[in-house]
Amino acid sequence: QSALTQPPSASGSPGQSVTISCTGTRSDVGGYDYVSWYQQHPGKAPRLVIYEVTKRPSGVPDRFSGSKSGNTASLTVSGLQAEDEADYYCSTYAGSHNLLFGGGTRVTVL
Amino acid sequence: QVRLQESGPGLVKPSQTLSLSCTVSGGSITNGDYYWSWIRQPPGKGLEWIGYIYYNAKTYYSPSLKSRISMSVDTSNNLFSLKLSSVTAADTAVYYCVSFRQSWDTFDMWGQGTMVTISS
Repeated sequence: QSALTQPPSASGSPGQSVTISCTGTRSDVGGYDYVSWYQQHPGKAPRLVIYEVTKRPSGVPDRFSGSKSGNTASLTVSGLQAEDEADYYCSTYAGSHNLLFGGGTRVTVL
Repeated sequence: QVRLQESGPGLVKPSQTLSLSCTVSGGSITNGDYYWSWIRQPPGKGLEWIGYIYYNAKTYYSPSLKSRISMSVDTSNNLFSLKLSSVTAADTAVYYCVSFRQSWDTFDMWGQGTMVTISS
């Protein structure tokens, strides 16, 4: 199966919001409420910020929110801060113990 | 809180077998809520799921890599391992060991990663 589709880049000014999309098919994103989002700063390991489409682990600011419509999931970062500048990856369960990642989106804080 | 640490050689010759281990601390590898995973990231590229193993040694591999992968678990030493055979330059990547939490359906804790270069 192909990787999930994400835009290569997104940007916003401090205090604004940025939304990143993650598009799959009805066999993966559309078929399960198991989309996760990860933040990765340069040279660091990814960090979980959203799981099961909308849920935030403890310690993740409520500026991070997730949603899904059909075969496309989205991550919104509200009230952008300089520390939010990073790469963001989506992932989902795709059935039969198969996991897929998106290609990643670089978020720039202008 | 579970912590994961990768170990293994940073340089492997083409056609040989890449071998990595991941030591789990702060929790038991026999915790039934977790699958123990490997994920890799080539330089400048995105993440790729390699596969995962349960504490009872049941394995699930990425369809694109399954012909070359072998994973094992050592519950006595709280660690799990990856072997990737017949490597080429395309297997050069940072390799992460990661816990997949079943109740959250997500990769919740990541090791720091280890860079493996395939070169003669």
